[in-house]
Amino acid sequence: DAMVIQNPRYQVTQFGKPVTLSCSQTLNHNVMYWYQQKSSQAPKLLFHYYDKDFNNEADTPDNFQSRRPNTSFCFLDIRSPGLGDAAMYLCATSREAHYTFGSGTRLTVV
Amino acid sequence: KQEVTQIPAALSVPEGENLVLNCSFTDSAIYNLQWFRQDPGKGLTSLLLIQSSQREQTSGRLNASLDKSSGRSTLYIAASQPGDSATYLCAVTHSGYSTLTFGKGTMLLVSP
Repeated sequence: DAMVIQNPRYQVTQFGKPVTLSCSQTLNHNVMYWYQQKSSQAPKLLFHYYDKDFNNEADTPDNFQSRRPNTSFCFLDIRSPGLGDAAMYLCATSREAHYTFGSGTRLTVV
Repeated sequence: KQEVTQIPAALSVPEGENLVLNCSFTDSAIYNLQWFRQDPGKGLTSLLLIQSSQREQTSGRLNASLDKSSGRSTLYIAASQPGDSATYLCAVTHSGYSTLTFGKGTMLLVSP
């Protein structure tokens, strides 16, 4: 089945230690997104790519970066994770307003 | 700046009840509105998509309505079941190329 796959499902990282979350898709959708969702909060958009065009939300911290080496893969890099970065990170793709989300990566910072 | 509000934040009902979840948005110039379901610790699953020119969409026991002029949408769930227990989020877009703006969701618990 075509889908969006996020790895790992759970990630524990140390305070200040760089971490990378990955997302892959088999849908061949041209738009990919990274959302941050904290407990009982609305998902907050961090970045999105329209093909290779990168779009950074104005309030996304500089600590967060992203890479999309090809249509299928997208990565979220957190350079120096703080306790406040603990959250669920959701990857999504879309084509013509139809969205598909991955299962998310739950990030814990210790 | 678009703001999306969902009421109630949490809802607990016995199995079999019909229920309504509410979503409101401050900027009525939307392109479409979507309802998503999120199970605990999981990603989002799209339930219903309503284009701005439409008034409602139905899928099985779910019916979503949209009143763009008043900035409101409702999700109606008929004959609720324990398997409906999840968080329901609504989200809007402003164009075919814009991103989703989400509400915080309504956490639904349906008891057997």
